[in-house]
Amino acid sequence: DIQMTQSPSLLSASVGDRVTINCKASQNINKYLNWYQQKLGEAPKLLIYNTNNLQTGIPSRFSGSGSGTDYTLTISSLQPEDFGTYFCFQHNSWPGTFGGGTKLELK
Amino acid sequence: QVQLQQSGAELAKPGSSVKISCKASGYTFTSYDISWIKQTTGQGLEYIGYINTGSGGTYYNEKFKGKATLTVDKSSSTAFMQLSSLTPEDTAVYYCARGPFDYWGQGVMVTVSS
Repeated sequence: DIQMTQSPSLLSASVGDRVTINCKASQNINKYLNWYQQKLGEAPKLLIYNTNNLQTGIPSRFSGSGSGTDYTLTISSLQPEDFGTYFCFQHNSWPGTFGGGTKLELK
Repeated sequence: QVQLQQSGAELAKPGSSVKISCKASGYTFTSYDISWIKQTTGQGLEYIGYINTGSGGTYYNEKFKGKATLTVDKSSSTAFMQLSSLTPEDTAVYYCARGPFDYWGQGVMVTVSS
């Protein structure tokens, strides 16, 4: 299975900050990489699909980039509602695998 | 709007089975696969497998073969996952998700305890 190494595992930031979260795959995943936000007690919500495509209804402050094995989620200006846990997910190879998560908390 | 409504929390004894459901609405059910995902604090998110809602064909992560059985009832737009021979390690939240993993159910907490 492809291993997805996500970093950092914990990120403390303030409203208005620009933040980046990274995922590194153990092999090339051909940009088949999604990003999700999860809040406590809720289901994950799709933010970005296939590296850089913004899901309908997601604010434009979220963006994604990357290729090969390295991928990044960027939030350009943190808003209060953005705090939570973020996951990456590769669906290039069977079975799809998830990163370990980044908990984004208020500094 | 697309919705996946899952059944309620389950408390089960070791060695028993549970069957959880995922009822879809707001789209053509047979146009998308339904996937199932396990979430635990220790192991994070794990992909169990998926079912082709049109053909009923199933595809399992090797790790979950023999543990999970996926089925579908097209007449009610509902997908099911049965978990068998339960152990405490099966205690988790289980999610269903529509094919491209764009919409998820609210999750079902399954607790295995004697």
